[in-house]
Amino acid sequence: QVQLVQSGAEVKKPGASVKVSCKASGYTLTDYYMNWVRQAPGQGLEWVGIINPRGGSSWSAQKLEGRITMTRDTSTNTVYMELSSLTSEDTAVYYCARVGSGFYSGDLDYWGRGTLVTVSS
Amino acid sequence: QSALTQPPSASGSPGQSVTISCTGTSSDVGGYNYVSWYQQYPGKAPRVMIFEVSKRPSGVPDRFSGSKSGNTASLTVSGLQAEDEADYYCSSYAGSYTFVFGTGTKVTVL
Repeated sequence: QVQLVQSGAEVKKPGASVKVSCKASGYTLTDYYMNWVRQAPGQGLEWVGIINPRGGSSWSAQKLEGRITMTRDTSTNTVYMELSSLTSEDTAVYYCARVGSGFYSGDLDYWGRGTLVTVSS
Repeated sequence: QSALTQPPSASGSPGQSVTISCTGTSSDVGGYNYVSWYQQYPGKAPRVMIFEVSKRPSGVPDRFSGSKSGNTASLTVSGLQAEDEADYYCSSYAGSYTFVFGTGTKVTVL
C-alpha cells in the first residue's frame, strides 16, 4: 500500500534552515509528482511547492522563492523540502502529498502525516 | 497570489444539503478546470474529495459533488451526516505552475 513517511518534528532558530523528508513506499516515486503543503497553527492550508521526482524539476509559491529547495533521491524513494532563512511565520505543519492524476489535477491522493517545524528563539 | 475566498462557516441538519463557495479570479478558478476540494479533521492530514472541478476519487461518497461557474466553484454535500463535520478547503491551479488554496470553511452538522 502507498505510504508517505515524513521526518520528525524540528525546532529551529530564526535565520536557520530546515530540511524535511518524505519517504515514499508502495509505488514508484518517479511516476507521480509530489506536492508540499503547510499549515500554520490554527490556520488554513498553504501551497508550498511541487516537484517532479522523475527529472527533479520543481516549482514553488512565489512568496517562498529564493528560500525553498525541493529535491529527490530516487535511490531511497525520498523527496526533500528545505527552507532557509526561517522566521516565525514559517512555523507550521508541513505535509507532502502525492499527485494521483495529472500535474494540474489537484488529486492529492496520499498524504504524509505532517512534520511540525517550529521557529523560535 | 491571494488565497481563494470561502465562507468561514456553513451548517446544516442531518439529511440536509450544504453548499460551500470558493471565489477566485480569472487567473485561477475562472481560468482553469482544475479546482479541487479537501476535507480535514482536526489534527489530521487533508483528504481529497473532488478534483478537476467535479471528479470524485474512488471511495468518496456520491453525496459530495463539485461544480464551477465563472470565477466561483462550489462543493455540495447532500444528505449531511455527522461524519461530514470538518474543515473544507478548495484549491485551484493558478498559472505558472503554481496553486492556491482557499481560506477554509468549517462545516457544522447541527
